[in-house]
Amino acid sequence: GESVGLHLPTLSVQEGDNSIINCAYSNSASDYFIWYKQESGKGPQFIIDIRSNMDKRQGQRVTVLLNKTVKHLSLQIAATQPGDSAVYFCAENRRAGGTSYGKLTFGQGTILTVHP
Amino acid sequence: DTEVTQTPKHLVMGMTNKKSLKCEQHMGHRAMYWYKQKAKKPPELMFVYSYEKLSINESVPSRFSPECPNSSLLNLHLHALQPEDSALYLCASSQDMAQGIMNEQFFGPGTRLTVL
Repeated sequence: GESVGLHLPTLSVQEGDNSIINCAYSNSASDYFIWYKQESGKGPQFIIDIRSNMDKRQGQRVTVLLNKTVKHLSLQIAATQPGDSAVYFCAENRRAGGTSYGKLTFGQGTILTVHP
Repeated sequence: DTEVTQTPKHLVMGMTNKKSLKCEQHMGHRAMYWYKQKAKKPPELMFVYSYEKLSINESVPSRFSPECPNSSLLNLHLHALQPEDSALYLCASSQDMAQGIMNEQFFGPGTRLTVL
């Protein structure tokens, strides 16, 4: 079935390195994508979003890239810090009948561990 | 105020109990959501309210009953739950779904529910 998935379930990096977390999606009708960070015992925290009419968006230390041709989404974190250690989820919004229903579907998540 | 608050933080209940989870936001958002998250899994959508009306029910069992008393409050009434319903229950809100434009969802910290 259609799904949003991640290539790697875990990622370990050294402090100061750049991190790249990948996500594949299969629904070409998806028009909006979000990256969330979830720390242990907390709810998901919004990091950055991108709409399907864009291929790149930058925030503070984070960049999201969208490749609609291969249905691939990535989150790049520059100068990764120990405080970035968390589970990262991509999520997609699937349009139905021309209307956006607010139905986010989450990927399986990647555990990012940053070593000092 | 950019917070979504949830009470209680933790809840332990028996299978014959009736309890309620509460969620509140004061960001003026008109869409509110309930998600269920099992350990090491992504959040799964349960219900969506738009302008205080239920717009999405993801085939959730009737032992879960949502209620939206006003635009700032969202409740989830629980009755006759099963041990497999133990999970983190997350509430989220977003600006507006009526115009068909997807906006970021802000999550609360969740209620950790244990059903004995």
